[in-house]
Amino acid sequence: AQTVTQSQPEMSVQEAETVTLSCTYDTSESDYYLFWYKQPPSRQMILVIRQEAYKQQNATENRFSVNFQKAAKSFSLKISDSQLGDAAMYFCACTQGGSEKLVFGKGTKLTVNP
Amino acid sequence: EPEVTQTPSHQVTQMGQEVILRCVPISNHLYFYWYRQILGQKVEFLVSFYNNEISEKSEIFDDQFSVERPDGSNFTLKIRSTKLEDSAMYFCASSDSSPPRDEQFFGPGTRLTVL
Repeated sequence: AQTVTQSQPEMSVQEAETVTLSCTYDTSESDYYLFWYKQPPSRQMILVIRQEAYKQQNATENRFSVNFQKAAKSFSLKISDSQLGDAAMYFCACTQGGSEKLVFGKGTKLTVNP
Repeated sequence: EPEVTQTPSHQVTQMGQEVILRCVPISNHLYFYWYRQILGQKVEFLVSFYNNEISEKSEIFDDQFSVERPDGSNFTLKIRSTKLEDSAMYFCASSDSSPPRDEQFFGPGTRLTVL
């Protein structure tokens, strides 16, 4: 069975600085996809970034990038130049090829200090 | 920008009662999902729905649960006889093309409290 682990329940960062959120996963499949979702307070989850396991190149979306270490089954999210609007719960998730379900980690609450 | 909506935002019910949670997915989407999050725990997959039938379900989704797309816009989750342990946040999601490659768009959730 797939599992996703986020070992940091809470993190904080100063505005304009960089923060890295950790995620490890376990899957027996070779075809899988990894996601980071952001959930601002009282708002819906939105996709931040996605990584296909078969791609070696780390995904980037503006200030958000991932460090995908396939052998270590690690998928960390780096947020550069943090902004107050980045404050949210961040969920790491995984899904396998052939399945539709997302398997989530417990989430990391990110606080951005002005 | 189109969004998934859910009603009600908070539902309180007595144990043993039936509840129906409602979702309006994004209009051109074809794949629909329900997830739940018990307080302090992970978001868990319940069921996926495509072409008017369940395409995948978890072990949580037992005979007490059912889903329906009664018309062209709504997607509902029914819990026949609620238990205390059904208290959770329920999230609906939709996507417009074949998962898992593509993004699932989530609604804001319905908080279900079973007394």
